[in-house]
Amino acid sequence: NAGVTQTPKFQVLKTGQSMTLQCAQDMNHEYMSWYRQDPGMGLRLIHYSVGAGITDQGEVPNGYNVSRSTTEDFPLRLLSAAPSQTSVYFCASSYSPANNSPLHFGNGTRLTVT
Amino acid sequence: AQSVTQPDIHITVSEGASLELRCNYSYGATPYLFWYVQSPGQGLQLLLKYFSGDTLVQGIKGFEAEFKRSQSSFNLRKPSVHWSDAAEYFCAVGAQLTGGGNKLTFGTGTQLKVEL
Repeated sequence: NAGVTQTPKFQVLKTGQSMTLQCAQDMNHEYMSWYRQDPGMGLRLIHYSVGAGITDQGEVPNGYNVSRSTTEDFPLRLLSAAPSQTSVYFCASSYSPANNSPLHFGNGTRLTVT
Repeated sequence: AQSVTQPDIHITVSEGASLELRCNYSYGATPYLFWYVQSPGQGLQLLLKYFSGDTLVQGIKGFEAEFKRSQSSFNLRKPSVHWSDAAEYFCAVGAQLTGGGNKLTFGTGTQLKVEL
């Protein structure tokens, strides 16, 4: 049972480059979300999706785009990378969008922007 | 807005000793509370959750947590720590968003070191 799969595990970008962080889940979860983890700040919500075709912004959405064309996939796009986006990114999913539905996390993508 | 405070950044315990990790939350309504554990290079794994009912909740790996509304706390405990428990632990409170999603607000984490 794969759960939540994120690729790549590591990525180094130059300022201004673009890239897509991939996230896929095989649990038929309705809800998916992206968090970034920075030292001393815990995890912060970037974007989320309550179902295919529906996305919305979290608390730190600037510089990131998302789409949800299928239930399984929820890619995160950086259009023009900046050093402030150096972070570890986690994709998470849950059965429902309700706030008592536990999140299942991927293993993360460590991104460095130089 | 909700917030979570984990006052201890680092804790070191001897293997076999008891453990308590502190968590204080701020939330306007009945909180949904979670504890997650993160091993190096891994994602977060759910240890336990509290929604309502019994204030002492049991989780995986022998962990338990007690919800105390009067103290706005949700401390994590384990009677006897194993070396494999060394990891970072995050407390979180869940909130519903107006867009229909939910947001977990995390504390900054407590790094647990276990001495053999």
